[in-house]
Formats: sequence, C-alpha cells, structure tokens
Amino acid sequence: GAVVSQHPSRVICKSGTSVKIECRSLDFQATTMFWYRQFPKQSLMLMATSNEGSKATYEQGVEKDKFLINHASLTLSTLTVTSAHPEDSSFYICSAHKGDRGRYEQYFGPGTRLTVT
Amino acid sequence: AQSVTQLDSQVPVFEEAPVELRCNYSSSVSVYLFWYVQYPNQGLQLLLKYLSGSTLVKGINGFEAEFNKSQTSFHLRKPSVHISDTAEYFCAVTGGATNKLIFGTGTLLAVQP
Repeated sequence: GAVVSQHPSRVICKSGTSVKIECRSLDFQATTMFWYRQFPKQSLMLMATSNEGSKATYEQGVEKDKFLINHASLTLSTLTVTSAHPEDSSFYICSAHKGDRGRYEQYFGPGTRLTVT
Repeated sequence: AQSVTQLDSQVPVFEEAPVELRCNYSSSVSVYLFWYVQYPNQGLQLLLKYLSGSTLVKGINGFEAEFNKSQTSFHLRKPSVHISDTAEYFCAVTGGATNKLIFGTGTLLAVQP
C-alpha cells in the first residue's frame, strides 16, 4: 500500500499562535510531498512542493514566512502556520509522491482541519 | 500551462441509475489524468488514472473513465450508483517534471434513494 498520515486531524488555536501539522508516509519513502489548502466546497489549492533535504517551492501568492514547510526526512514533512489568524482557518491536506519513474500519482493524507479563533 | 474543467458542480442521480461526471482538460504537453474521490472531512482517494495505453480505464468501486485526446476529455462513468457513492469527485491532470497535480473544481455526486 501507500499510506499517508496527518497529525493532528483537527486543531483549534487562538489568533497569533503557531500550529504545526505533520505529514508522514507510513510504508514508503516520499521524495516529494505537496501541501494543499481546501476551503469549504472548493477544490484543492496547491500551496507548496516539498523535496527532502531542500527548500520548499511555494506557489505564487503563498506567503513563505507564514507557511513554513520542512521536509527533514523521506517520510516526514511538516507545515507550520505561524501567527495564525482566523482567515487561515481551512482544511490542509498533504500528499506524497514515491518518486519512481513513470508513476505520477500522489497519495493523500486524511487532512487537518484548522480553526483559528 | 495546464487546466482542468469540471462543468458540473453538482450531479443529482437516483440510486441504481447510471452517471457520467464530465472532465475536460487543456495542456500543451502529454498528460496524465486522474480521478479522485473525497468523502466529507477526509482526504482524497484515487479512483483511477490514465498514464498511457488503453484509453478505457477501469478503477475501484465500479468506476471507469475514457481518455479522449481529440475531445480533450476524461469523463468518469458508473453504470449503477449506490447511496455510498455520494461524495465529491475531482479530476486532475499532471504532465510536467514537477509532478504537480492541477485539480478541477470538483463535482458533488448526490445519490438519492
């Protein structure tokens, strides 16, 4: 299989605090991980692409200093929302890519619901 | 640049009826196409994918899709739906070295008894 987990599944935090979300590939090594944001009843918006051992590549319009991404190992990537505000409330989903040639599918985590009060 | 269009935001259908969810794409390079399903408050699950070869692709849960290059479409079909198929369905495309997925806006399949 190709299982991706996220932790926590839900988090509520106060405005101004920081929140860290973990994304783990449980049974494979992920050379690349992706972070998405999904607003209610909308599609997934790619925030950044994370490659193990290198800096993340952010999509246009995504604040690098606000959404800190670290991909320290082949099985773990973290997204830290710094100084969170109510408008950061959203559903955050990560996905992982195995990196094998000719295979393009991404394996998705179950998502993290962030609510900023 | 690549893009995906899902024209139907919601498709209501009665249980045991057939359904087709439409997906059109645009791309200047070779494409690889995917359909994902998302149940409420969950991540995405891969239904099926087209990478190459036969244009008719069969996936899980009885779904299938046909890649039509001339019409730049990748419509998803199921001959008989169940209540449990009620979910959001996303079409996605990738084709570059970055492996980025470009998603459509999604179609809510609402199966009614």
